[in-house]
Order: sequence, then C-alpha cells, then structure tokens
Amino acid sequence: DQQVKQNSPSLSVQEGRISILNCDYTNSMFDYFLWYKKYPAEGPTFLISISSIKDKNEDGRFTVFLNKSAKHLSLHIVPSQPGDSAVYFCAATPLGGQNFVFGPGTRLSVLP
Amino acid sequence: GAVVSQHPSRVICKSGTSVKIECRSLDFQATTMFWYRQFPKQSLMLMATSNEGSKATYEQGVEKDKFLINHASLTLSTLTVTSAHPEDSSFYICSARGDRGRGNTEAFFGQGTRLTVV
Repeated sequence: DQQVKQNSPSLSVQEGRISILNCDYTNSMFDYFLWYKKYPAEGPTFLISISSIKDKNEDGRFTVFLNKSAKHLSLHIVPSQPGDSAVYFCAATPLGGQNFVFGPGTRLSVLP
Repeated sequence: GAVVSQHPSRVICKSGTSVKIECRSLDFQATTMFWYRQFPKQSLMLMATSNEGSKATYEQGVEKDKFLINHASLTLSTLTVTSAHPEDSSFYICSARGDRGRGNTEAFFGQGTRLTVV
C-alpha cells in the first residue's frame, strides 16, 4: 500500500509557464514533507520542505502548498525553465521519524 | 557543494564477487544513514537504516547477509553487496541525516552508485 502517491508519472510544460506537481499521502502521522529533484544517474537533490504547521512555503521559484485535511501537497514552479526538467519526488516523514517515505516520482519536461 | 559523498559512482563487477560502496557525510555528523535502491523508472526503495555504532535495520525482503551495512563512524557508512548476481544490478543511493546547523530534518543524498554485475 503506497503511503505517498504521485499520480502523474509525467508532466510537460512550456518554458515560462507554471509547473504544478501533486502529491497525496495516506498516513495521518506524516507531518513533514519534502520535495526532491533527481537527474538521471544522480542522487536526489533537496528542493523545499514544509512542516504540517504551515500551509505554504516559498523559496524563489518554488512554492509548496500543504492541505492537511485533504492530505495533499503540491509543488509549484514558476516560471518553469528547461533546466527544471527532471524527476520530482515527494517525500514524507512522521514527527520524530527517521526515514522518509518517497512517492513514485513525476517526470517533468519543460519545453523550450 | 556536496555534503554527502558516495563512492564509487559506477562499478562493474563479475558475478560472485563482492562490491563495497562508501557513503561519507562531508561537513556534518550523520547520526543516521539510509541506503536506497532504485530500479529503472521506479521510486527509491529503502533497503536499510543504520545508526552509528549499532546494527542496521533492514526493510522486509532485504537480505541482511547479502547487503552488509557498516556505520562505524558518524561520517562513514558502507554497503557491501556480497556474492553479487546480475539481478543485483541497480542504482544504489545513500542518504544521511544530521545536524548541519539548520536542524536535522533534511536528508542529504549521495550521488548514487550504478552497479552492473556481469
């Protein structure tokens, strides 16, 4: 049973437009969420995180929104750039937990 | 710059031999390290969690005797794939959690190791 879901395996967006990547979770114990970006044959790179006490966190072009009641979070990238093309993983962890549970990832392609 | 260094980035070995992969935290003490495996077009699958100075905790279905994990210091963890077989060919990634001055709620990943067993 997948505790973290990313229902869109892929997404294509035009350069300059907004990219919205979605993530849903089932475990109500999760209270800290992260987004990672991964290029082929490389390790994931941390992008942005959000704690359950917030509903929004912004860092430059990246904004993460959290809707606890819906158990849903999203990553907005605006404006999208070709260099943003990568696989994006959503991850979650419970308070005091050690491990992150990763979603299956969404492959983002930003078209020039 | 990189805060977690994983070595080697790529290794090809013969079936039946053992391969050791190192994971080092460069500017912080990693109290906990994780080892993941990624199959093509799939997510990261946690293999084991290791805390410095204690035995690793393996996920269900991961063979302890095949994937030996040693976390001897706060900056180094190693994964040894013993008696490797072609089905062990995969991308292995380590990550480390520790206090880098911003709290320990992030995990930093190594660059990954592409293992090919022939």
